[in-house]
Amino acid sequence: DGGITQSPKYLFRKEGQNVTLSCEQNLNHDAMYWYRQDPGQGLRLIYYSQIVNDFQKGDIAEGYSVSREKKESFPLTVTSAQKNPTAFYLCASSMSSIANYGYTFGSGTRLTVV
Amino acid sequence: LAKTTQPISMDSYEGQEVNITCSHNNIATNDYITWYQQFPSQGPRFIIQGYKTKVTNEVASLFIPADRKSSTLSLPRVSLSDTAVYYCLVGEEIRDTGRRALTFGSGTRLQVQP
Repeated sequence: DGGITQSPKYLFRKEGQNVTLSCEQNLNHDAMYWYRQDPGQGLRLIYYSQIVNDFQKGDIAEGYSVSREKKESFPLTVTSAQKNPTAFYLCASSMSSIANYGYTFGSGTRLTVV
Repeated sequence: LAKTTQPISMDSYEGQEVNITCSHNNIATNDYITWYQQFPSQGPRFIIQGYKTKVTNEVASLFIPADRKSSTLSLPRVSLSDTAVYYCLVGEEIRDTGRRALTFGSGTRLQVQP
């Protein structure tokens, strides 16, 4: 079955550490996205990528970095510069970055700073 | 300025029809209106999308008036499993890029009672 796989489901980070969240899709979608969700809130766009080797900052990119070396993969690194990283992270993909195409979401990674 | 406005929460009972209205006064000519459903600790799931008039699928209907400044998601005969957060979205330009992505507000929290 086609879909998006995020791993790990739960992740714990110590203060000052960088951690990388994995996102893989086998939908042959061109565009991929990372969102952050805090308790009781909506999703906020961190980064998105329209094609391989291209990505753009969203509304809250500070403290995060991404890469898009393969069409199927869009990993997100939460760096030590992100002061409040505890949140639920969601990866999504769509056929095109044109906003009218529906998004398919992964099941999310819950990151906790310990 | 919020792109969309929808009620924070709604309550209903099993078997009733639920209508959730969303306003999007500044919708762009090319934007579609898309609704997603999200359960706790899961990624949002696409429900329905439309451009104008009425769209119906196996789970919901979407009503869009001629001026497209609002839309109503209609869920027929809800059950307990429809308890979730529902998001109304239109495309929004990513700051300084000219590109568009979906922006999620806080959504409408629907609680279905037995």
